[in-house]
Amino acid sequence: QQQVKQSPQSLIVQKGGISIINCAYENTAFDYFPWYQQFPGKGPALLIAIRPDVSEKKEGRFTISFNKSAKQFSLHIMDSQPGDSATYFCAASGLTGANNLFFGTGTRLTVIP
Amino acid sequence: KAGVTQTPRYLIKTRGQQVTLSCSPISGHRSVSWYQQTPGQGLQFLFEYFSETQRNKGNFPGRFSGRQFSNSRSEMNVSTLELGDSALYLCASSPWAGTEAFFGQGTRLTVV
Repeated sequence: QQQVKQSPQSLIVQKGGISIINCAYENTAFDYFPWYQQFPGKGPALLIAIRPDVSEKKEGRFTISFNKSAKQFSLHIMDSQPGDSATYFCAASGLTGANNLFFGTGTRLTVIP
Repeated sequence: KAGVTQTPRYLIKTRGQQVTLSCSPISGHRSVSWYQQTPGQGLQFLFEYFSETQRNKGNFPGRFSGRQFSNSRSEMNVSTLELGDSALYLCASSPWAGTEAFFGQGTRLTVV
């Protein structure tokens, strides 16, 4: 079964707007939650990651919000740009190590000028 | 610092054949993981190697195997290829357990 559920499947945002992608998980053993960005023909690139001891992490225009009690986390892209148009994946892993990642199904983001 | 290097980038194989894919991790990284990416199933974990030992394995048949060498380079092998094995195979490297995973560009395998 899908260990990490991601929504929406696709998202269209105006340039300068905020893009929001949501993920939910069930396994309380997960303790590492990264977000990846993937362009066509490329491998996923690590964007930002969070651990459950903090509720928010910000790096530049990218922010992860984490709600441990709800078992949900989200990616916010502020001031979205056409260059941000890509597929975004959330992921989670547990105590066996960060490399055994369970991925969401991906969100295709399109930022229109 | 060079990134994760996967070779070859593209492969076309016939059903029933076997294939070997190669991954060179970032210098100094000791952990290598493999993932399969398909439009239908998304990104799925195959296995992880750390210091030449398989530490974790995903839910794939035994036709999928791998190994890691003393220099941390890794190979993945798929035997008796099936049409459904057509996918992008991604390798990720990490310095230690529980740290960030960095992906290569992948090997696009097409089985005909």
